Amino acid sequence: DTEVTQTPKHLVMGMTNKKSLKCEQHMGHRAMYWYKQKAKKPPELMFVYSYEKLSINESVPSRFSPECPNSSLLNLHLHALQPEDSALYLCASSQEPGRVDEQYFGPGTRLTVT
Amino acid sequence: GENVEQHPSTLSVQEGDSAVIKCTYSDSASNYFPWYKQELGKGPQLIIDIRSNVGEKKDQRIAVTLNKTAKHFSLHITETQPEDSAVYFCAAIGSYIPTFGRGTSLIVHP
Repeated sequence: DTEVTQTPKHLVMGMTNKKSLKCEQHMGHRAMYWYKQKAKKPPELMFVYSYEKLSINESVPSRFSPECPNSSLLNLHLHALQPEDSALYLCASSQEPGRVDEQYFGPGTRLTVT
Repeated sequence: GENVEQHPSTLSVQEGDSAVIKCTYSDSASNYFPWYKQELGKGPQLIIDIRSNVGEKKDQRIAVTLNKTAKHFSLHITETQPEDSAVYFCAAIGSYIPTFGRGTSLIVHP
């Protein structure tokens, strides 16, 4: 099973709202990633978690707050977003941090900020 | 850092034809090259990959070739079908963080 699941599939939120995106994998992978993807562009890396610890933050604004409660779950907490944050947010996982390996992506959450 | 160039940005073929997408990379330390297919409204799906110690890999109608000396790799799809229509991304990885190409929109006309 190479499945990464994400909820919700779609999310519409106002600029004053607080919401969370969720990601789950049961492949025993110890590296998990958040990407942002704008239309017709490749995914852009936001955060990397290695063994449940934040290892890479690609200078992402503080209105995005990641959390890794355990080795299977990854959350992205959203607060005071801007319309330009509207995008597809993708979660991915790979087997071992620091090892060059296949990354498996979830289906994404389509976020619209109004 | 790594830089990946992908061409063409759009590729239109007739059903049954072959399609080739090419990528070049800049960092000689990159040693893993996956290809992703992304259909509309979905996440990228890994379809084939190749490591630097291999020159070619094939899986049914898709194949990937790698030329480490020239730093380029290519995706080949034979006998294309309408369901192959999607955006394809190449990536190069040296430090487990991928650098993606800009994507190729493949359109297969029935």
